[in-house]
Amino acid sequence: QQPVQSPQAVILREGEDAVINCSSSKALYSVHWYRQKHGEAPVFLMILLKGGEQKGHDKISASFNEKKQQSSLYLTASQLSYSGTYFCGTDSFMNRDDKIIFGKGTRLHILP
Amino acid sequence: DAMVIQNPRYQVTQFGKPVTLSCSQTLNHNVMYWYQQKSSQAPKLLFHYYDKDFNNEADTPDNFQSRRPNTSFCFLDIRSPGLGDAAMYLCATSRTAGRPNSPLHFGNGTRLTVT
Repeated sequence: QQPVQSPQAVILREGEDAVINCSSSKALYSVHWYRQKHGEAPVFLMILLKGGEQKGHDKISASFNEKKQQSSLYLTASQLSYSGTYFCGTDSFMNRDDKIIFGKGTRLHILP
Repeated sequence: DAMVIQNPRYQVTQFGKPVTLSCSQTLNHNVMYWYQQKSSQAPKLLFHYYDKDFNNEADTPDNFQSRRPNTSFCFLDIRSPGLGDAAMYLCATSRTAGRPNSPLHFGNGTRLTVT
């Protein structure tokens, strides 16, 4: 069951903040966040496992709500290097096994 | 540095001509995955190995096969490529299977063109 990401695309100026959301109709075991630049492989950002969890590094952080059905990725004071497509990957209780299913992605473009 | 390496980066094949993509890893991870990613779409899981145990996704066409001769190497064979198989193919590894999941480490991908 594919998670739903929003928005589909964001255009920001350098220094502005962004929030990307990832939601599921069912509770999740985990949420992964990845960033992919054009023509490159996705790069792991972070994984959230516990309801109510928040974690982050530098100016990128994420939260996982108490019901474990929704996660948000927060990009603070965005830098040009943050441009790319952000994917959430989820492991749902609906899954027969533990595979990660990716959302359709959110394209983030940072303008100087 | 420990990594996931895919060869070649770009592969051109003819319609119907078998092609093999390769992936190697120095991370000593148990699990290896093959994803197909078409332009502006999410990576789609084709299959994965947990050690030598092969797990095929229900909607993966029979045209796609895989081999994992040892921990370090995994191959994707496309027996008769069609124009719709043109895509980026991503290999990924993770330390363990099971829940909770461990992060996926991706290779740089092989972009396949079918002429």
